[in-house]
Amino acid sequence: AQRVTQPEKLLSVFKGAPVELKCNYSYSGSPELFWYVQYSRQRLQLLLRHISRESIKGFTADLNKGETSFHLKKPFAQEEDSAMYYCALNTNAGKSTFGDGTTLTVKP
Amino acid sequence: DAGITQSPRHKVTETGTPVTLRCHQTENHRYMYWYRQDPGHGLRLIHYSYGVKDTDKGEVSDGYSVSRSKTEDFLLTLESATSSQTSVYFCATGGDSNQPQHFGDGTRLSIL
Repeated sequence: AQRVTQPEKLLSVFKGAPVELKCNYSYSGSPELFWYVQYSRQRLQLLLRHISRESIKGFTADLNKGETSFHLKKPFAQEEDSAMYYCALNTNAGKSTFGDGTTLTVKP
Repeated sequence: DAGITQSPRHKVTETGTPVTLRCHQTENHRYMYWYRQDPGHGLRLIHYSYGVKDTDKGEVSDGYSVSRSKTEDFLLTLESATSSQTSVYFCATGGDSNQPQHFGDGTRLSIL
């Protein structure tokens, strides 16, 4: 069975500091991984997908199949980055498995 | 936004009453999902649908049923609401496995 683990429920950094949100997965097939962001009382929205290898809002994420990780990184955090972040794994059955989420707080 | 509308957006009801939440999409996505979001538990899948009249259970399906009679509508029903079902419910749509899901604005349900 597939599983997504986000080990940090809460993460707090100061503005301008680097930030890394961890995501580890277990899946026997070829993973399709995503990061979603949820700003306060808003809907979840896609932030990144591993297949596109792009940078959105300064965030990047690299799939490391050897370590089964898909950590989200940003070199200089901004206050507007404060939000809940979810890592998700898609299977070939059309389902997604989400991690429990990490609440990021960026302090001024 | 993938044209996803959830209704109602807020509801307060009493234990033992039936509740139906509606999700409507305009993008003709094949897959539709219902999740609940609770502090400390993240996002948990209740039920999902992979086509009209084709549904399956998620990890927290007890006490919930769903129906999908049209591509655009996916209904979630709590037959007899309990206080443990107080939560924020999100509907989502998706396509193939390499595509992300698109979420609705959520429904805040309080069961007293």
